[in-house]
Amino acid sequence: EAAVTQSPRNKVTVTGGNVTLSCRQTNSHNYMYWYRQDTGHGLRLIHYSYGAGNLQIGDVPDGYKATRTTQEDFFLLLELASPSQTSLYFCASSERGRQNTLYFGAGTRLSVL
Amino acid sequence: GQQVQQSPASLVLQEGENAELQCNFSSTATRLQWFYQRPGGSLVSLLSNPSGTKHTGRLTSTTVTKERRGSLHISSSQITDSGTYLCAMGPNSAGNKLTFGIGTRVLVRP
Repeated sequence: EAAVTQSPRNKVTVTGGNVTLSCRQTNSHNYMYWYRQDTGHGLRLIHYSYGAGNLQIGDVPDGYKATRTTQEDFFLLLELASPSQTSLYFCASSERGRQNTLYFGAGTRLSVL
Repeated sequence: GQQVQQSPASLVLQEGENAELQCNFSSTATRLQWFYQRPGGSLVSLLSNPSGTKHTGRLTSTTVTKERRGSLHISSSQITDSGTYLCAMGPNSAGNKLTFGIGTRVLVRP
C-alpha cells in the first residue's frame, strides 16, 4: 500500500503570512499532485509534478507555488496567504500511466484569518 | 473546462438497501474513477473504469463513455459505507490529472 504523508495536519495563519505544506510519498511514484477541497466544489488541482525538478500548472494555480525537490517530496507554498485560501488541501501520488490509482494523503486543514 | 456532475447530492439508506450513484461528464475522451471520502476527510480510490462494467466487493461501476455517464452501485449497504462518494474523470493520456465532482453524501442507518 502506497503511503502519502502530509504535514502539518492543521495550520492557522494570518493574512499575508507565509505557509509551506509538505508531502512525502514512499513508493517512488512518478506523479505527485496538490488539490484543494472546498464546499460546493470538487477537489481542484493546484499543481502537479511528474518527477524531481518538474512542475506543471493545474487548474487553480493562482497564489500558489510548488516545488518537487526529490522523487519523494512535494511542497506547496503560499507566500502571501489570503482568506480565500482557507481550505482542505490534499496531496496525492500515482505511478506513470493512464489507469493508475491515485493515493491520497490524510489532508491538511488550513485556516487563513 | 471539463465538468463532472454527480447525483443525487445526498442519500439516506437503511442498512441492507442498495443504492445507485450517478456521474455525468463533459468529455468522451476520458476515463472514470470513483473515490470514497470518509467522514473524517481521508480519501481512498475505489474503482477505475474507462468503459463497461467493473466489480469489486459490493461495488459495481458502469461507464458508458459514448453517453458521457457512469454509475456506482452499492449493494447490501452497511453502516460503514457512510461517507461521500466522489466521481472523477481524466484524459486518456499519461498522468492522472483528474477533474472531480462535488460528490454524493451517503448515510446508512441501522
